[in-house]
Amino acid sequence: QQQVKQSPQSLIVQKGGISIINCAYENTAFDYFPWYQQFPGKGPALLIAIRPDVSEKKEGRFTISFNKSAKQFSLHIMDSQPGDSATYFCAASPPNNNDMRFGAGTRLTVKP
Amino acid sequence: SQTIHQWPATLVQPVGSPLSLECTVEGTSNPNLYWYRQAAGRGLQLLFYSVGIGQISSEVPQNLSASRPQDRQFILSSKKLLLSDSGFYLCAWTRQGGDGYTFGSGTRLTVV
Repeated sequence: QQQVKQSPQSLIVQKGGISIINCAYENTAFDYFPWYQQFPGKGPALLIAIRPDVSEKKEGRFTISFNKSAKQFSLHIMDSQPGDSATYFCAASPPNNNDMRFGAGTRLTVKP
Repeated sequence: SQTIHQWPATLVQPVGSPLSLECTVEGTSNPNLYWYRQAAGRGLQLLFYSVGIGQISSEVPQNLSASRPQDRQFILSSKKLLLSDSGFYLCAWTRQGGDGYTFGSGTRLTVV
């Protein structure tokens, strides 16, 4: 059962542009919302994460915006670079952390 | 520091043959362990998770099984592989009550 919906499925951005990926969740018990970055042939790596007590978290060029009332969160990549080209997954998990649900993934291509 | 090892990196197996993929975690104790499968260009499907030795929870009934013979060892097995078992298999771990998952480097399984 899909509890985290991610869009778009693919995204093409010019170098220097802003990449925006959106996710929506259903389970109000979720309290941890990470984003993972995956390069071809590699396992996903934790990129940035947020808890619902804040509305935004920024780490370098990566920012998560969180809207608890709308049950939505998004990843913004500022000044996108070709090296950011990868598949990005959003996820959400409840407090016990045994049941993390992943979005379907977004394939980002940053053109030079 | 904690590390996760997963092997082999690639595997080509004939239909009907057995399978054994191994995952080990170092530098921690009593981790939660997970097996995911990722079809080409698709999202992450949770197959099994374990919160302790001998404790296995299955998410999807299928041709696969998992075992946890030791605290930091997680094994994915099949008695007879099907073509549909092809995919990218990922092991992951997290601390009990922890946050983000750490993924292994994955095993690319091709059933021919």
